[in-house]
Amino acid sequence: GAVVSQHPSWVICKSGTSVKIECRSLDFQATTMFWYRQFPKQSLMLMATSNEGSKATYEQGVEKDKFLINHASLTLSTLTVTSAHPEDSSFYICSARVAEPGLAFQGRYYNEQFFGPGTRLTVL
Amino acid sequence: AQKITQTQPGMFVQEKEAVTLDCTYDTSDQSYGLFWYKQPSSGEMIFLIYQGSYDEQNATEGRYSLNFQKARKSANLVISASQLGDSAMYFCAMREGVDSSYKLIFGSGTRLLVRP
Repeated sequence: GAVVSQHPSWVICKSGTSVKIECRSLDFQATTMFWYRQFPKQSLMLMATSNEGSKATYEQGVEKDKFLINHASLTLSTLTVTSAHPEDSSFYICSARVAEPGLAFQGRYYNEQFFGPGTRLTVL
Repeated sequence: AQKITQTQPGMFVQEKEAVTLDCTYDTSDQSYGLFWYKQPSSGEMIFLIYQGSYDEQNATEGRYSLNFQKARKSANLVISASQLGDSAMYFCAMREGVDSSYKLIFGSGTRLLVRP
């Protein structure tokens, strides 16, 4: 249980184009999903918190108009990198927080985050 | 100030030996959670172990144990009987309790290499 998928797993695009990355919780509902960015050999940096049915909360320094986040359902959040530039090339990881109270996965706490496999974006 | 500090950028360990990865944290919350994740070269984040701030006993999960010293604000990961497959990046993370957004704050990571 608690599987999170991301699509695509990797994408190469031209500068100036927009790229959409999907994050899905496959076997649980996630009222909250998180989007992280990771540069090579660096740690994960939280970009934004995505709540189902409401606007995303962006971390300081993250351009909300450049990184559009939509959380339209309890199992899907999307990150769109608009007008991508080479400096946007990075590894993007999403995570989903288990929402159902009392739901335990192998004895773990219900409010834990489960991570997707990541999407590697390369902007030429 | 850094909320999560991992002072070891890289570590080597001989196969079958134990290794300790250091993590210190900074918070004024009474309720918080500490996590360790493994990130192999594929990039996926693999949950290893969790310690709640009110847990009196150190968490254990198979070969992984967390040496939780609350007064010193440290949450070191101990991997026993290292295996070649343990070679990866390891991240310590904290979830603070007051902020109900459940955000995780990650340390800079430690790259572990297991020697045969």
